Amino acid sequence: TQLLKQSPQFLSIQEGENLTVYCNSSSVFSSLQWYRQEPGEGPVLLVTVVTGGEVKKLKRLTFQFGDARKDSSLHITAAQPGDTGLYLCAGENNNDMRFGAGTRLTVKP
Amino acid sequence: DAGITQSPRHKVTETGTPVTLRCHQTENHRYMYWYRQDPGHGLRLIHYSYGVKDTDKGEVSDGYSVSRSKTEDFLLTLESATSSQTSVYFCAISESWGAEDHFGPGTRLTVT
Repeated sequence: TQLLKQSPQFLSIQEGENLTVYCNSSSVFSSLQWYRQEPGEGPVLLVTVVTGGEVKKLKRLTFQFGDARKDSSLHITAAQPGDTGLYLCAGENNNDMRFGAGTRLTVKP
Repeated sequence: DAGITQSPRHKVTETGTPVTLRCHQTENHRYMYWYRQDPGHGLRLIHYSYGVKDTDKGEVSDGYSVSRSKTEDFLLTLESATSSQTSVYFCAISESWGAEDHFGPGTRLTVT
């Protein structure tokens, strides 16, 4: 059973489209991270959010932490083929770190 | 790129044999972690270390042991490998708990 549920599992879109992926849990987290992973490589940290309601922007990526610190979303504006990858969320609480299974995004040119 | 390497990058071994994977960092980070990644499960924490000779269990620690005799090295040992331990293993480091700053490139282990 996945403590962190990510949706959708798979997403295939055309270049230029916008998209949102979600990370949901019934547990409260002290902090939540988003990573991007490419085939054959380790995950790369994109952002850490720690405050309920927090919004962080990284170029075309917008990350939001839910008010109750149980969920998060990642919105990508005008997706590009270089955004293709596996997006993972991870939550930390009480020295316990859990990852979601990820959303595999494909952006077609 | 952060200075974190894993060795070997690929290994095939037989059931029942011992296997040791090595993680080496040049960042002097306090925390080091071992994860395994399997389809449908995401990344699951095996063990972590918060200092030299200080380690603790993660979510899936059964069948694994770790050691950290130096700040820069964190070893993961499978005492007697089983087919269920076929996976991709990632090492990660961080300066503080709960935000793995950098992951290694991974080790693909196949147990036949």
